Amino acid sequence: QITLKESGPMLVKPTQTLTLTCTFSGFSLNTSGVGVAWIRQPPGKALEWLTVIYWDDDKRYSPSLKTRLAVTKGPSKNQVTLTMNNMDPVDTATYYCATPGRALDFDYWGQGSLVTVSS
Amino acid sequence: QSALTQPASVSGSPGQSITISCTGSSSDVGGYDLVSWYQYHPGKAPKVIIYESRKWPSGVSNRFSGSRSGNTASLTISGLKAEDEAYYYCCSYAGSSTWVFGGGTKVTVL
Repeated sequence: QITLKESGPMLVKPTQTLTLTCTFSGFSLNTSGVGVAWIRQPPGKALEWLTVIYWDDDKRYSPSLKTRLAVTKGPSKNQVTLTMNNMDPVDTATYYCATPGRALDFDYWGQGSLVTVSS
Repeated sequence: QSALTQPASVSGSPGQSITISCTGSSSDVGGYDLVSWYQYHPGKAPKVIIYESRKWPSGVSNRFSGSRSGNTASLTISGLKAEDEAYYYCCSYAGSSTWVFGGGTKVTVL
């Protein structure tokens, strides 16, 4: 059974750096072809793909946010960390981690972590 | 990489069929037969209901069907039920391990 769960601060101040962790089970990020993606959804707005990291440490970023994003494996072998710098109120959103399936859809999702950016 | 275009809302009566369009470009929808559709109920995680433009994940009702032609993909919900009232998002693979989502469509069952 595959599960994912996001964790991190619920509130960050403008200009601060956000760090979120995705803790997963039921699969290994050491397995060929496996990846973990991050997707966000501002309140009342659309989903937005942010980044993906693969088993071989290949990383891809949304062109519009690539200068602010970083994704890494760890700190544990079943975790992936997302950092986003220079947070702004427009970055207020629910942040999800999800797995890209073989069909390049997102077949498993975490419950989401609501992050509010406010002073 | 611009968001895919979906109608903001679609409505139908129980038992009817509705279709949601998803328009992109040759860089995403038109370039890859890899459109997925997600059903989203607020407060819950999105759930994939169509992948590879027209295939159903296990456990998903075949009342949901997908198609793709050129730069436009479509989701049809047949035999509309009250439980289908939700938001629906399309998503297309856009090459080089990147994806783009649509703006979302609110489906209302009258």
